[in-house]
Amino acid sequence: AQSVAQPEDQVNVAEGNPLTVKCTYSVSGNPYLFWYVQYPNRGLQFLLKYITGDNLVKGSYGFEAEFNKSQTSFHLKKPSALVSDSALYFCAVSGRMDSSYKLIFGSGTRLLVRP
Amino acid sequence: DAGVIQSPRHEVTEMGQEVTLRCKPISGHNSLFWYRQTMMRGLELLIYFNNNVPIDDSGMPEDRFSAKMPNASFSTLKIQPSEPRDSAVYFCASNPFPIPRLYIRGYGYTFGSGTRLTVV
Repeated sequence: AQSVAQPEDQVNVAEGNPLTVKCTYSVSGNPYLFWYVQYPNRGLQFLLKYITGDNLVKGSYGFEAEFNKSQTSFHLKKPSALVSDSALYFCAVSGRMDSSYKLIFGSGTRLLVRP
Repeated sequence: DAGVIQSPRHEVTEMGQEVTLRCKPISGHNSLFWYRQTMMRGLELLIYFNNNVPIDDSGMPEDRFSAKMPNASFSTLKIQPSEPRDSAVYFCASNPFPIPRLYIRGYGYTFGSGTRLTVV
């Protein structure tokens, strides 16, 4: 069965510092991996995805994520955090077999960037 | 583009009442998804349509839930009768590509702002 784990409920970082939001996954076969961001009272916004190819994926708003197959991880990173990055971040996975369209979301990690 | 439009934004209803949530996908998007978000269960896929046809409704909790897509520009999610445990934020999302091309084109889903349902 597909699953996603986001081990941290909240990540706190000072503005200007690098940030990492962790995600590990479990899926049969090769995964499709995604990051979404949710601002208060808003829907989810697509940040980036990994399908195949380069393990380092660059996305919106300066975010990037690194796919690590051996560690089954897809951590979200940003070199320099902004206060406006404060939001709820979701990692999602989809397998390439059977119900490959079904996105399974992690529980979410709240990112708080202090001025 | 106005994005995916959901209505109402907030709905408070009494247990036992019928509730109808509405969604207008982005024009030209031919895949539509209904998700439910709760603290306990996170984001759950309820049902998925492609070209107005329900493809997979295995996530629909029970028979009290039903979803329709009468045309390419409109979908409804109905709960009858509603129960307090149905309280959640319900999201609609659309995508311009049918599965499995969904991912190849690099497109993520476009989500609406959600409907916050409270059943008292």
